[in-house]
Amino acid sequence: QVRLQQSGPGLVKPSETLSLTCTVSGGSISSYYWSWIRQAAGKRLEWIGRFYPSGSTTYNPSLESRVTMSVDMSKNQFSLILRSVTAADTAVYYCARETHALEIWGPGTLVTVSS
Amino acid sequence: EIVLTQSPATLSLSPGERATLSCGASRNVNANYLAWYQHKPGLAPRLLIYDASTRATGIPDRFSGSGSGTDFTLTISRLEPEDFAVYYCQQYGSSPPWTFGQGTKVEI
Repeated sequence: QVRLQQSGPGLVKPSETLSLTCTVSGGSISSYYWSWIRQAAGKRLEWIGRFYPSGSTTYNPSLESRVTMSVDMSKNQFSLILRSVTAADTAVYYCARETHALEIWGPGTLVTVSS
Repeated sequence: EIVLTQSPATLSLSPGERATLSCGASRNVNANYLAWYQHKPGLAPRLLIYDASTRATGIPDRFSGSGSGTDFTLTISRLEPEDFAVYYCQQYGSSPPWTFGQGTKVEI
């Protein structure tokens, strides 16, 4: 059974960089699309972007200038980097595997942007 | 990007009743690539329906999806106590970004 485990700091200072990692267990990271999604309090879910391990990456245009996604195949994990964060980036961040839609989700990480 | 609008915002029902949730798209959803998720506080969203009408693995048959083009519906035939949650639709048919509706809360 494929499971996703998220890690990363829950508190980031304004203007700094948010970095989260999603580790895949029970299956290979290859041959699937992997996405990051977030949800700010009281807001709808927002798709941040996705990548395919062979190198194809697509970001939400609203965040594209500040986002980078990367993969470490040897560790079966992938990462999200969001630069120059502000309070508006405070949200629960999820990683997910995309097969038929977003089929498997990580548990979520609350990231608060505050000094 | 495609904007999804869900209605109603809140649905107040009792266990055993039928729930009908709507999701409207600002333009056609390519190949009916429309999904529904159930979201409970503190948990990750759970995929219920994909490709507009296909139940995901392990989803009870009281959940059904229908629709095409710009109008989609999620029906819960008989509400169980565990079904009270927020439901989101999501499109993944057109060029990214994938987008979500604003959610419908099904409450007792």
